[in-house]
Amino acid sequence: DIQLTQSPSSLSASVGDRVTITCQANQDIRNSLNWYQQKPGKAPKLLIYDASTLETGVPSRFSGSGSGTDFSFTITSVQSADIATYYCQQYDNLSITFGHGTRLEIK
Amino acid sequence: QVQLQESGSGLVKPSETLSLTCSVSGDSISSFYWSWIRQPPGKGLEWIASFFYGGSSNYNPSLKSRVSLSADTSKNRLSLHLSSVTAADTAKYYCARLLRFGELTYMDVWGSGTTVTVSS
Repeated sequence: DIQLTQSPSSLSASVGDRVTITCQANQDIRNSLNWYQQKPGKAPKLLIYDASTLETGVPSRFSGSGSGTDFSFTITSVQSADIATYYCQQYDNLSITFGHGTRLEIK
Repeated sequence: QVQLQESGSGLVKPSETLSLTCSVSGDSISSFYWSWIRQPPGKGLEWIASFFYGGSSNYNPSLKSRVSLSADTSKNRLSLHLSSVTAADTAKYYCARLLRFGELTYMDVWGSGTTVTVSS
């Protein structure tokens, strides 16, 4: 099974800060990595697919990069609306795994 | 615009079967893959299974023996049954559309989720 190690588990940032979350797979998953945002009490929302493609309508301050086993997700200028938990997710022959999530707080 | 709405048994007794429905509007369930995902209180997301009507299904190995999926195209809805539940199955359950384009695969539309509590 493919496992994803996501870090950090939580982080605190000020409005305007740049934040980066990493996600590491235990085997090569090419670009098969997506990122979701989940606000409290809400369903997850797709932000990035195929490691680096921004979903339609998602602000450009969100970005993703990486391939193989190492991936990252960046918010270039954090806004208060970005308070949420962020999850990476991989797919391999329709077997799906999520990272454990990163909770973003605003200082 | 596709919309999903989960519903079902909010309270289930241990050892019984949890039954949920995902009603789909805005497109036909036979046109896409669909996934079920759950989230225990205060915890992360866990994939349960993915399904294509008239095609293959894929399951989380840890749940496979207890999961049953079905679809009713006349009502355009999906169903999930999870047998022999325990308190560990207490969670919010989501259905989501799973888009596939070659190697591209992602869940682009989610329902709002339904909460299931397992308790006697």
